[in-house]
Amino acid sequence: EVQLLESGGDLVQPGGSLRLSCAASGLTFSNYAMTWVRQAPGKGLEWVAGISGSGGSTYYADSVKGRFIISRDNSKNTLFLQMSSLRAEDTAVYYCAKLYSSSWSLIWLDPWGQGTLVTVSS
Amino acid sequence: DIQMTQSPSSLSASVGDRVIITCQASQDINNYLNWYQQKPGMAPKLLIYDASNLEAGVPSRFSGSGSGTDFTFTISSLQPEDIATYYCQQYENLPITFGQGTRLEIK
Repeated sequence: EVQLLESGGDLVQPGGSLRLSCAASGLTFSNYAMTWVRQAPGKGLEWVAGISGSGGSTYYADSVKGRFIISRDNSKNTLFLQMSSLRAEDTAVYYCAKLYSSSWSLIWLDPWGQGTLVTVSS
Repeated sequence: DIQMTQSPSSLSASVGDRVIITCQASQDINNYLNWYQQKPGMAPKLLIYDASNLEAGVPSRFSGSGSGTDFTFTISSLQPEDIATYYCQQYENLPITFGQGTRLEIK
């Protein structure tokens, strides 16, 4: 069974930085593209960033481009999201999710992790 | 960006009812449309991929149809455990976008 476990969420001041991790198990990690999706409190789902299985291709929402960096360590079965210049509107639960294949093509998100809460506030 | 508009935003139905949720894309997305279920306090779960394909292990009372810009998600006979918010998601173009969600309640 594939399991994804996020960590790293915290309370951070505006302008600060944070790194989220997503540890994967039950799969050959490098065979799958991965993505981050966030959900502000009481709101809907917003796609944040994605990365191919090899890590060679990355994709970002305009709202985070230039501030967030998605990466992965396939030797450690771990996905990362480095977040900088954080703003109040980045406050959300951040989920990692697996795609169907290694390429950024069949964007069926399954499964998702349980999420980690990032709060940006002074 | 492709806008996804779900209707209704909320819905109250009785156990055993047929429930229909629609999702309209602002441009042609072929069949690149998925449906997710999010129960309170939990992560979303994929139910339907590519408009009409049932994910493995998902009960057959769930179904999807449509192509182009107009899509439908149906629960043939509502069960108490189906209480959740349902989202459509397109992946024809980046950025991936979701509908605003349909909150389903039991009457």
